[in-house]
Parts: sequence; structure tokens; C-alpha cells
Amino acid sequence: QVQLVQSGAEVKKPGASVKVSCKASGYSFTDYYIHWVRQAPGQGLEWMGWINPNTGGTVYAQRSHGWVTITRDTSISTAYMELPRLKSDDTAIYYCARVSVPVHSGSFDSFEYWGQGTLVTVSS
Amino acid sequence: QSALTQPASVSGSPGQSITISCTGTSSDVGLYNLVSWYQQHPGKAPKLIIYEDTNRPSGVSNRFSGSKSGNTASLTISGLQAEDEADYHCCSYADPATVVFGGGTRLTVL
Repeated sequence: QVQLVQSGAEVKKPGASVKVSCKASGYSFTDYYIHWVRQAPGQGLEWMGWINPNTGGTVYAQRSHGWVTITRDTSISTAYMELPRLKSDDTAIYYCARVSVPVHSGSFDSFEYWGQGTLVTVSS
Repeated sequence: QSALTQPASVSGSPGQSITISCTGTSSDVGLYNLVSWYQQHPGKAPKLIIYEDTNRPSGVSNRFSGSKSGNTASLTISGLQAEDEADYHCCSYADPATVVFGGGTRLTVL
């Protein structure tokens, strides 16, 4: 069965960076786009960007451009999301999500599978 | 990329029907048939309940239905049950090659 397993919770100080991992299993990793979505406490979902695991190509939300970096390591079927220069309002749960359609059908249809989420807390 | 607009909260009694709206623009909701809806219970990851505007994944109750008119998509839940109490998020593909979510709607079953 398809699974996305994320790395554990992180506590960081303002100005530090964080890298969250998302290990995929149960399907061919390079066949489906992976997206990153975050949710601040008590807030809605915010899309951050996607990666084509086959090519490594990425697209980021305007707000995320030049700020978040999404990468992947195909040898271990894992995607990563890195945030530099953390601020307190980056405190959120970060999710990776896999789309429903294979890469040749486009970057997004819907998010069929989600990771369990990784809580990143930024506090001095 | 502005967020899609959803009501902050809706409520209904068991057995009733409710509808949650999701308003976007001609660059997202109105341009593509790629609106999806997610149910999220507290402390859990979102769960897909509607995709491509109106389609239901296998295993999702037929009490959930999606529709769209112009730049506004809607989620209707009929025969409300206590277990439907959750947050609901709409989502759409948007130009150029991006994705946008709504602010989320808290459903309370009275």
C-alpha cells in the first residue's frame, strides 16, 4: 500500500533552518509528483510547492519562491523540504502529499495520499 | 495567488444537509475542472473526499457530493452524521502550474 512517512517533530530557534523528509513506499517514486503543504496552528492549509521526482523540476508558491527548497533522492524514494531563516510564524505542521495521477498526466489532480505531518516549532 | 474563499464555519443538525461554498477566480476554480475537497479531523492529516469537481474516491460515502458553477465550487453533505464534524478544505489547480487552498470551513453537527 502507498505510504508517505515523514521525519519527526523539530524545535528550532529563529534564524535556524529545518529540513523535513518524506519517504515514499508502495509505488514507483518517480511516477508521481510530490507536493508540500503546511498548516499553522488553528489555520487552513497553505500550498508551498511541488517536485517532479523523475526530473527534479520544482514549482513554488509565489510566497515560497526564493525561500523554500524542495529536493529528492530517488535512490531512497525520499523527498525533502528545507526552510532557511526560520521565523516564529513558520511554526506549523508540514505535510507532504502525493498526487492522484502519474507524471505524464500533469503536476496536480488531487492529493490522494498524505504523510502524517511534521510539527516544526520555532521558538526562542 | 490568493486563497480561495470559504465560510469560516457552518452547522447543521443530524440528518440535515449542508453546503460549503468555495469561491475562486477565472484563473483557478473557473478555469480547470480540478477542484478537490478534503476532510480533516483534529490531529489528523487531510483526507480526499471529492476530486475533479464532482468525483468521489472509492470508499467515500455517497452523502458527499461536489458541484461547480463558474468560479464557485460547492461541497454538499447530506444526511449529516456526528462523524462528519470536521474541517473541510477546498483546493484548486491554478495558473501557472500552482495550487491554491481555501481557508477551511469548520463543520459543527449540532
